[in-house]
Amino acid sequence: NAGVTQTPKFRVLKTGQSMTLLCAQDMNHEYMYWYRQDPGMGLRLIHYSVGEGTTAKGEVPDGYNVSRLKKQNFLLGLESAAPSQTSVYFCASRGLAGVRTDTQYFGPGTRLTVL
Amino acid sequence: GDSVTQMEGPVTLSEEAFLTINCTYTATGYPSLFWYVQYPGEGLQLLLKATKADDKGSNKGFEATYRKETTSFHLEKGSVQVSDSAVYFCALIYGGATNKLIFGTGTLLAVQP
Repeated sequence: NAGVTQTPKFRVLKTGQSMTLLCAQDMNHEYMYWYRQDPGMGLRLIHYSVGEGTTAKGEVPDGYNVSRLKKQNFLLGLESAAPSQTSVYFCASRGLAGVRTDTQYFGPGTRLTVL
Repeated sequence: GDSVTQMEGPVTLSEEAFLTINCTYTATGYPSLFWYVQYPGEGLQLLLKATKADDKGSNKGFEATYRKETTSFHLEKGSVQVSDSAVYFCALIYGGATNKLIFGTGTLLAVQP
């Protein structure tokens, strides 16, 4: 049981390049989330999904797209990377228990640098 | 809007010292409250939680009590260890349609032997 995994762990992009971050979970969780972590700002929600085939915008969605074609995977795409997207990206998932009580399980993170 | 405020870090303590990390929140309703911990190079993991007023969450010697009257959820531990060195995040969430954890900025704890 690997929990939540993320690939890649590190990436350096040039401005304007595109990439996709992959999140996978093996806990059969319905809900999945993408956060970014920036110094002095905590974690901010980018997009989330409440089930296979669904996505929704979070707090800071601009410049990102997501897809949830399979229940276990949640992809985060950057179509044209910008230096402001330099950050550490975390994926999380949770099950169907109430949102007030259930735990979000986090992946180890992807450190992205955009030059 | 809803927010979480944590004390600024870093907090530097000697082993076996008493730890308090302050957390206060601003919310229009009655959220659930969480403490997450991030060890170096790792993702966040849940440390403890409380879902209603006066609840006490506890885990690994850490405790926090949900105080509605002071809108606080301070994290405490009686005797810290070097292995407790990490970043600690306070967070809140509502039920219903809102599906977003709101995090504080994190507090770095460094415990020296």
